[in-house]
Amino acid sequence: DVVMTQSPDSLAVSLGERATINCKSSQSVLNNSNNKNSLAWYQQKPGQPPKLLIYWASTRESGVPDRFSGSGSGTDFTLTISSLQAQDVAVYYCQQYHDFPPGFGQGTKVEIK
Amino acid sequence: EVQLVQSGAEVKEPGESLKISCKGSGYKFTSYYIAWVRQMAGKGLEWMGVIYPGGSDIKYSPSFQGQVTFSVDRSTSTAYLQWSSLKVSDTAVYFCARTSMVRDIVYWFDAWGQGTLVTVSS
Repeated sequence: DVVMTQSPDSLAVSLGERATINCKSSQSVLNNSNNKNSLAWYQQKPGQPPKLLIYWASTRESGVPDRFSGSGSGTDFTLTISSLQAQDVAVYYCQQYHDFPPGFGQGTKVEIK
Repeated sequence: EVQLVQSGAEVKEPGESLKISCKGSGYKFTSYYIAWVRQMAGKGLEWMGVIYPGGSDIKYSPSFQGQVTFSVDRSTSTAYLQWSSLKVSDTAVYFCARTSMVRDIVYWFDAWGQGTLVTVSS
């Protein structure tokens, strides 16, 4: 199975500052048929289901604010929140869909400093 | 608006059976897969498997194969997750989510149910 490892496990960022979350896969998730990376990001607020933010590593889901961006390729990926807002406090998960079974990272908790 | 609405919280004793539901609306239910995802208290997301309401395709994660059963009722656009004999370790929140699958590749999950808390305790 492809193992997804996120870092850090938690981070505290001041309002308006940048938050950066890393996700590393145990093998490349590059899809050779379309040259896209099979990597998604989700946001889960307390007591709520996860919400899809990004797929194909950098494509923002409809309605997701543009302060959220995804980057990376191969095995190393980043979710960036360019200017942290109070409503962004949540746990963020990456997910690979390159191989079966799909798998999630362990999550990164983002808090306000 | 795409919606997945799950059944309410359950409290069961070890050894009991249980079936929880996930009703889809706002889209063609038979055109997408439904995945099930477990989240134990304070923990991360675990993919359990998928079922295709438009056909007979079912895929279980090796970790959950033989432990749970997926089914659907196309007439009511409802997917089900069931256990024949619950264990204390099945205590968790279970989410259903909409997804697609092509040649064993399960894609991202673009809509989620609100979750069903299952508590198993003697």
